[in-house]
Amino acid sequence: EIVMTQSPATLSVSPGERATLSCRASQSVSSNLAWYQQKPGQAPRLLIFGASTRATGIPARFSGSGSGTEFTLTISSLQSEDFAVYYCQHYNNWPLTFGGGTKVEIK
Amino acid sequence: QVQLQESGPGLVKPSETLSLTCTVSGGSISSFYWSWIRQPPGKGLEWIGYIYYSGSTDYNPSLKSRVTLSVDTSKNQFSLKLSSVTAADTAVYYCARVTYTMPLFDYWGQGTLVTVSS
Repeated sequence: EIVMTQSPATLSVSPGERATLSCRASQSVSSNLAWYQQKPGQAPRLLIFGASTRATGIPARFSGSGSGTEFTLTISSLQSEDFAVYYCQHYNNWPLTFGGGTKVEIK
Repeated sequence: QVQLQESGPGLVKPSETLSLTCTVSGGSISSFYWSWIRQPPGKGLEWIGYIYYSGSTDYNPSLKSRVTLSVDTSKNQFSLKLSSVTAADTAVYYCARVTYTMPLFDYWGQGTLVTVSS
């Protein structure tokens, strides 16, 4: 099983600032990496797949990068609706696993 | 627009079997894979398993001995059974559709909290 580790656990950011979230895989997952956003009381929403491709309807301020074992999700200018928990998920093989999440909170 | 809705008991006794059903509307269950994912309160996400509309399945090894997924295409539903539950199985359980081209989740149910307690 591939272990996904996210850092930091909590990120305090002011609206309008940039947020950078990290995700590390215990072994290479190539570019088979997705990011989800989850708001309180809601199901996760797919943001990014293929490490860097935005899902349908996702604003351009969300961008993903990386390959192999190191990945980054960047939110270029945080809007109020972006404060949430973000999870990475690999889909390189089975079982699929998620990272522990990064909570982006208002500074 | 595809919609998924979980249903089932919100409280299950320890050692019993947790049973949930996911009803798919706005689209056919055919030609897609479907999954269950759970999230203990305040914690992260855990993939439980998937089922194809034809009935083929795969499960997370950590739960494989206790999980059974099934599908009823006539009702556009798929179901989860988790046996011998303990308090560690208390979680919000989500059903989700696996995307057509890769094992990601593009449509999710709202989730249902299942508490294991006597």
